[in-house]
Amino acid sequence: QQQVKQSPQSLIVQKGGIPIINCAYENTAFDYFPWYQQFPGKGPALLIAIRPDVSEKKEGRFTISFNKSAKQFSLHIMDSQPGDSATYFCAAGRGNQFYFGTGTSLTVIP
Amino acid sequence: EAGVVQSPRYKIIEKKQPVAFWCNPISGHNTLYWYRQNLGQGPELLIRYENEEAVDDSQLPKDRFSAERLKGVDSTLKIQPAELGDSAVYLCASSFLTGERKAFFGQGTRLTVV
Repeated sequence: QQQVKQSPQSLIVQKGGIPIINCAYENTAFDYFPWYQQFPGKGPALLIAIRPDVSEKKEGRFTISFNKSAKQFSLHIMDSQPGDSATYFCAAGRGNQFYFGTGTSLTVIP
Repeated sequence: EAGVVQSPRYKIIEKKQPVAFWCNPISGHNTLYWYRQNLGQGPELLIRYENEEAVDDSQLPKDRFSAERLKGVDSTLKIQPAELGDSAVYLCASSFLTGERKAFFGQGTRLTVV
């Protein structure tokens, strides 16, 4: 049973574009929603995280939008750069128990 | 500050052979996770420790997988005997038990079973 559904599977954007990755969850008990970035051959690295009491969080060029009623959240990357090309995973959980999405492979074309 | 350290980085073994992975978490992190990541997929939790106690091992195939975290610091994950389907990247992560729940991952061990 997939606790977190992520889309799209892959995404190609031009430099400067704003890729958007979407995730949906079912368990209303989840209270922590992080996003991870993973480069080939590396472990996932925490990018940004949000709690359900806010609808948006920005850190640098990365923004999470959160819709509690729809049980959806998304990652926006502003002014995307070729160095942002990586796989992005959303996750959701409660306490120290997390479930990951299936990942989105992002390619930013120079 | 050192991150999560895993070894080895790569391992190739024949099926039915045993294999072990080692993880040293970030100093002070009480919670330690072992995840398995298949190609093109997200990490899937195998086992989670809070200090020395395994608090979530529901996804660990206990017939062939075992793990230990002696003294609540570093941890070992073992597979015996390995099967072809065990080929994956095994990731270790750690976090604080309370407060900030940011989980930090190691680089992983890529296991190939032939």
